[in-house]
Amino acid sequence: DTEVTQTPKHLVMGMTNKKSLKCEQHMGHRAMYWYKQKAKKPPELMFVYSYEKLSINESVPSRFSPECPNSSLLNLHLHALQPEDSALYLCASSPPWEQETQYFGPGTRLLVL
Amino acid sequence: QKEVEQDPGPLSVPEGAIVSLNCTYSNSAFQYFMWYRQYSRKGPELLMYTYSSGNKEDGRFTAQVDKSSKYISLFIRDSQPSDSATYLCAMSDDGNQFYFGTGTSLTVIP
Repeated sequence: DTEVTQTPKHLVMGMTNKKSLKCEQHMGHRAMYWYKQKAKKPPELMFVYSYEKLSINESVPSRFSPECPNSSLLNLHLHALQPEDSALYLCASSPPWEQETQYFGPGTRLLVL
Repeated sequence: QKEVEQDPGPLSVPEGAIVSLNCTYSNSAFQYFMWYRQYSRKGPELLMYTYSSGNKEDGRFTAQVDKSSKYISLFIRDSQPSDSATYLCAMSDDGNQFYFGTGTSLTVIP
């Protein structure tokens, strides 16, 4: 398995909903990242997990809650989002032997109504 | 001043042309440099990774880093319509946090 997978591909949610995004990799990578990307903009870093511990939180609002249950899985829990949170949410991972490179998943396209 | 500057384009070239994509940066501590290709509505795909200065070649793609000028380039030879995408540069000083350019939109016309 040589890829980062993300589910769901698309998600539509209301502002009062609670939903979760899932990211998975089985490449032995020990760093995992969440990015948010708006249309025609570069990805913006949200969170970094290193060896299942949160190492970087880029001042993200608390309505986004990351979780790393194990070395292969990364979740992003969403609650009480705003329409401006609509974006492509990208997960990436890095191997410990080459931690400077990041491999991205296909993303979850989120629409908040 | 932004950490990384990249001309957003759009850039339009005929098939077979040599394409040159560039980024400049302000942080002299950057030493990890990457180029990503992103097709519309897809996640970024890692194309090239370079550490410190120098050139790196992979097929039709060549990445160059000039740390003295704080300038990196990606060259695409014999460009194909399938190369039409947005190209993002990204760089880091510690390998943990990466700074992305805004992306250059490229169209290769058959």
